[in-house]
Amino acid sequence: QKEVEQDPGPLSVPEGAIVSLNCTYSNSAFQYFMWYRQYSRKGPELLMYTYSSGNKEDGRFTAQVDKSSKYISLFIRDSQPSDSATYLCAMRRNTDKLIFGTGTRLQVFP
Amino acid sequence: DTAVSQTPKYLVTQMGNDKSIKCEQNLGHDTMYWYKQDSKKFLKIMFSYNNKELIINETVPNRFSPKSPDKAHLNLHINSLELGDSAVYFCASSQAAGGNEQFFGPGTRLTVL
Repeated sequence: QKEVEQDPGPLSVPEGAIVSLNCTYSNSAFQYFMWYRQYSRKGPELLMYTYSSGNKEDGRFTAQVDKSSKYISLFIRDSQPSDSATYLCAMRRNTDKLIFGTGTRLQVFP
Repeated sequence: DTAVSQTPKYLVTQMGNDKSIKCEQNLGHDTMYWYKQDSKKFLKIMFSYNNKELIINETVPNRFSPKSPDKAHLNLHINSLELGDSAVYFCASSQAAGGNEQFFGPGTRLTVL
């Protein structure tokens, strides 16, 4: 079993929809939680990160961490075709290496 | 002005050959990484250097040898290439070891025939 699990999708939604992307993990020592976005044939880029439990909002994006359930989410409001990409969750303990999920492919159609 | 650059972008080669991938970052970061992304998009760390010193060395065949001549450069040499080495290899950098924000290069798509 992988340390971080993520549904690979693809997830296909109409423009304007609210998108929910999720990851579960097994290691309760993880403290830092990140979401990276990867466009086709490009490197991943950091979207958001949170420390420990709680919510964080940045424009149309909201990241949630529930450490008691070992579950993290990324919500995208008013989704746009330009949001079509693969979304990778990542997490780590202290200064340890990042552990990535397998990514969820999102397609937003006009 | 590219932050993290890699060369080459594409590499097609025969089994058994030796090849190198180069990476350079102009962000002034202390830490650099090599990741391998397989066909299922799974991104896994291979190596990490902090100020030219190896700090992460995952379970990777010793055919893979990283080299960091200085803080801004991290190269990856692969000996005796195998079919299973086909993947996209990403270089990344962060300000410090264990940084949340890692800046990734565009990737090198390696195909071993």
